[in-house]
Amino acid sequence: AQSVTQLDSQVPVFEEAPVELRCNYSSSVSVYLFWYVQYPNQGLQLLLKYLSGSTLVKGINGFEAEFNKSQTSFHLRKPSVHISDTAEYFCAVNQGGSEKLVFGKGTKLTVNP
Amino acid sequence: DTAVSQTPKYLVTQMGNDKSIKCEQNLGHDTMYWYKQDSKKFLKIMFSYNNKELIINETVPNRFSPKSPDKAHLNLHINSLELGDSAVYFCASSQASEQFFGPGTRLTVL
Repeated sequence: AQSVTQLDSQVPVFEEAPVELRCNYSSSVSVYLFWYVQYPNQGLQLLLKYLSGSTLVKGINGFEAEFNKSQTSFHLRKPSVHISDTAEYFCAVNQGGSEKLVFGKGTKLTVNP
Repeated sequence: DTAVSQTPKYLVTQMGNDKSIKCEQNLGHDTMYWYKQDSKKFLKIMFSYNNKELIINETVPNRFSPKSPDKAHLNLHINSLELGDSAVYFCASSQASEQFFGPGTRLTVL
């Protein structure tokens, strides 16, 4: 069975600092990987996805993530965060071709002035 | 322009009542989903429909009954509501790999 581990439940950072949100997954078959963002009292919005090809994936709002198959990781990074990046971030995985998306427990990113 | 919409946005009701949440998508997608997000923000899939047929049912109590009258709509009916049903329920739709989520329905059972 697939599972997703987001190692940090909360990450506080100062504005303009770099940030990395960690995600590890377990699956014995090829997977698709996603990062979603949830702003307060809103639905989920896709930040970026890895399906195949280049392991470095660029998304919206200046975020990027790197797929590392040997370490089964898909960490999310941003070189300089803004106050508006304060939100909950979810890593998710599904087996290639499957309809079922399995989510991690989320990481709350708080950007302080 | 709303891609995936849900009604109502908020639902407050008493234990034991029956309620429904409606979901519509105008993206032309074949597959729709219901997710539950608990108070700790954990998201878990409940159901998935493809072209009006149930394809995923994740051991959800049978008090929850999804209904898909056509591929653009997936409604969720809940019988005999319990305190533990309080959560935010998200509808989503997908074509290929990406899922698009609705704004959520916050259900509070008193």
